[in-house]
Amino acid sequence: SQQGEEDPQALSIQEGENATMNCSYKTSINNLQWYRQNSGRGLVHLILIRSNEREKHSGRLRVTLDTSKKSSSLLITASRAADTASYFCATELNSGGSNYKLTFGKGTLLTVNP
Amino acid sequence: DAGITQSPRHKVTETGTPVTLRCHQTENHRYMYWYRQDPGHGLRLIHYSYGVKDTDKGEVSDGYSVSRSKTEDFLLTLESATSSQTSVYFCAISGTHYNSPLHFGNGTRLTVT
Repeated sequence: SQQGEEDPQALSIQEGENATMNCSYKTSINNLQWYRQNSGRGLVHLILIRSNEREKHSGRLRVTLDTSKKSSSLLITASRAADTASYFCATELNSGGSNYKLTFGKGTLLTVNP
Repeated sequence: DAGITQSPRHKVTETGTPVTLRCHQTENHRYMYWYRQDPGHGLRLIHYSYGVKDTDKGEVSDGYSVSRSKTEDFLLTLESATSSQTSVYFCAISGTHYNSPLHFGNGTRLTVT
């Protein structure tokens, strides 16, 4: 089973609206990361939030982390057509000793309609 | 694209043939990773490297081998390709093994017929 699961699987909004995507995970993490993937391209890192942080901002992006609920959310404000992409959360956990494991969810497909 | 080049970008091969995918980086990063991306599965780690000649298995390593003879190159080999290895393969790099974002290449689309 997946360590991180995004919700919803797909989201369609109008330009200018806000988009919120959620990620839930099962075990304690070291950090949680969000990535974007445009069609036919590799993933691009957006934000990394550590387990002792609750909120981070980057431009129009806001990420929250609630370790008690084992969940995170990614908010994109004032969306643009160029934000159309798949968004993935990835959870990093310590898998023993100096080994760390980064596990990706299946992603949320965001469509922003002009 | 953080100085990561994957080659080839597309490949069609027949079942049973060997295939080698190449990842080349110009960032001098220590860590390199190979992932595969399949519908319904997200990204899954195949193998990773933590230095020249130092590699380890990921969660879906069966049927794959890797080699890293230079810092900048990480090769993924399918010794005898099967149809289940049809996928998009991504290489990624990072400066450290934890608390560090990954930088991805643009992928290789492999079709095994």
